[in-house]
Amino acid sequence: ETGVTQSPTHLIKTRGQQVTLRCSSQSGHNTVSWYQQALGQGPQFIFQYYREEENGRGNFPPRFSGLQFPNYSSELNVNALELDDSALYLCASSLERQYEQYFGPGTRLTVT
Amino acid sequence: GENVEQHPSTLSVQEGDSAVIKCTYSDSASNYFPWYKQELGKGPQLIIDIRSNVGEKKDQRIAVTLNKTAKHFSLHITETQPEDSAVYFCAASRGSNYQLIWGAGTKLIIKP
Repeated sequence: ETGVTQSPTHLIKTRGQQVTLRCSSQSGHNTVSWYQQALGQGPQFIFQYYREEENGRGNFPPRFSGLQFPNYSSELNVNALELDDSALYLCASSLERQYEQYFGPGTRLTVT
Repeated sequence: GENVEQHPSTLSVQEGDSAVIKCTYSDSASNYFPWYKQELGKGPQLIIDIRSNVGEKKDQRIAVTLNKTAKHFSLHITETQPEDSAVYFCAASRGSNYQLIWGAGTKLIIKP
């Protein structure tokens, strides 16, 4: 069974640029959630995707957007990057209507 | 909305001793309480969870207790080992399609 994978591992971007992060869910999992984890803090929920539609969103501006594909993989897009967007971005997958969420290793984004 | 507080922020115990981490939550509708372990440079790993219809759950050296009346839950690790050193996060959720709300984390240090 393949776990959750994310790419890239690390990324450095300049303020104002756009970035796309990718996530492949654990085998059989059809729900993907994205979280932002600032250094030394707990993760903050960005949004969740289920059946290719957004299924809940946290307190993040519209410049954070996402997609889910028919194979359940997902992308997180961030436009107009700000310095405060520097963080570890985590993807978690779960089964439909199951509580347990399983996380990937994350993508470390640095905005300079 | 839900708020989760976690204590202590750092916990140092002698190898072989027990460690206890406590969390409180504010939303009485929360019904799922997972604990995650995060090692440096990795994503959070689900180590144990409990639902609101259960008061205690144990898995080998790890146990979680839940007091719904007081709205608090705790992680207990017995016979601590060096590999238990990590940051531990508690979280709460109102359901399988709801976001996880996280505590701020506890850095557990196991002294040899």
